[in-house]
Amino acid sequence: DAGITQSPRHKVTETGTPVTLRCHQTENHRYMYWYRQDPGHGLRLIHYSYGVKDTDKGEVSDGYSVSRSKTEDFLLTLESATSSQTSVYFCAIRGLRDTGELFFGEGSRLTVL
Amino acid sequence: AQTVTQSQPEMSVQEAETVTLSCTYDTSESDYYLFWYKQPPSRQMILVIRQEAYKQQNATENRFSVNFQKAAKSFSLKISDSQLGDAAMYFCAYIYGGSQGNLIFGKGTKLSVKP
Repeated sequence: DAGITQSPRHKVTETGTPVTLRCHQTENHRYMYWYRQDPGHGLRLIHYSYGVKDTDKGEVSDGYSVSRSKTEDFLLTLESATSSQTSVYFCAIRGLRDTGELFFGEGSRLTVL
Repeated sequence: AQTVTQSQPEMSVQEAETVTLSCTYDTSESDYYLFWYKQPPSRQMILVIRQEAYKQQNATENRFSVNFQKAAKSFSLKISDSQLGDAAMYFCAYIYGGSQGNLIFGKGTKLSVKP
């Protein structure tokens, strides 16, 4: 158990509203990631972090921002949600043993109406 | 850029039979890892098996094994004695071995298991 908690697990919002998803980990992992999962696309990287206040963009970063002010929390923000951002969002951490694999949270389903 | 391709959107297998899921990848790196993840209807991402690129021996985990062909950049998953609980989406994934590598996924293969 990698101790990853995502919140909220489900959210329905309207176009144009801001949304923040939170990822919380309890084991001091350095690397954290946000992915989105859509049918026919697999999982695609949005943003990742390699330390406090150190973040970088992934493949599908447009319309998203992230922040990491402390090791345990990695926030994903949609400043103005659009229907194309309806998706399932997964947070992940890279294991401490650094054998390459990522461990995932349970996912957050976001619906933008 | 690294890519991962799963050419079988859906597969079906009879319970107790064997099935192989295909995956190819493209990279210019020599140090990397490959994975198969399982995603059942619960949506949880579960690591099935891991392969280090520097190891020639194919990884195995109980009924799951891989056929890793480094030169061909192929990484297939074999599931033996298939069980109803194996029904899920399966994702092949690649990560560069360096410290800032990011996991790159294929689009997935949906596996159905028939009783």
